[in-house]
Amino acid sequence: GENVEQHPSTLSVQEGDSAVIKCTYSDSASNYFPWYKQELGKRPQLIIDIRSNVGEKKDQRIAVTLNKTAKHFSLHITETQPEDSAVYFCAASMRNEKLTFGTGTRLTIIP
Amino acid sequence: KAGVTQTPRYLIKTRGQQVTLSCSPISGHRSVSWYQQTPGQGLQFLFEYFSETQRNKGNFPGRFSGRQFSNSRSEMNVSTLELGDSALYLCASSSGLHNEQFFGPGTRLTVL
Repeated sequence: GENVEQHPSTLSVQEGDSAVIKCTYSDSASNYFPWYKQELGKRPQLIIDIRSNVGEKKDQRIAVTLNKTAKHFSLHITETQPEDSAVYFCAASMRNEKLTFGTGTRLTIIP
Repeated sequence: KAGVTQTPRYLIKTRGQQVTLSCSPISGHRSVSWYQQTPGQGLQFLFEYFSETQRNKGNFPGRFSGRQFSNSRSEMNVSTLELGDSALYLCASSSGLHNEQFFGPGTRLTVL
């Protein structure tokens, strides 16, 4: 089955700097890659996703890139703000198959 | 649209008991997936139901079971509870066609 690895497990960045979280997946048939943000005590929320027919997708300060050949995808957050502090999860799946999640990255924005 | 809801939000049980958790998906969503979240293991997939049929299953023992009703509401049952079953149980709904999943607030289960 699919296996997703996520790095780093913790990340601290100064407010205003950029943060990058990387994930690799094992099954080349996976074609859907969402990112979830989970604030303390709250539910995971979808923040951005990308499908395998696209190499990059942006939404304001958040972007995701996908390299199908290398089987890795990354989340980029620019101009970080204190409210970006949370745990971020990447995931991968094939159509109508289960989502396999990475183990999460705890992002801390230092004011 | 109302979001995904889960009941109860908190549960305390003792070893050997059984528990039933409920999830109501977003209106129109036909797929409900269940996950176990623990600090050490992250989000582990339990199973997914689509139109009342189990479509995908994770690697959990048979003590964990589920079902889905004709209105897409889903229940998850855990029998013969163990201490290690203490976790946050999350359900997520999707239309079943495009993979986007939306999570409920979770049920925090504590097994004593």
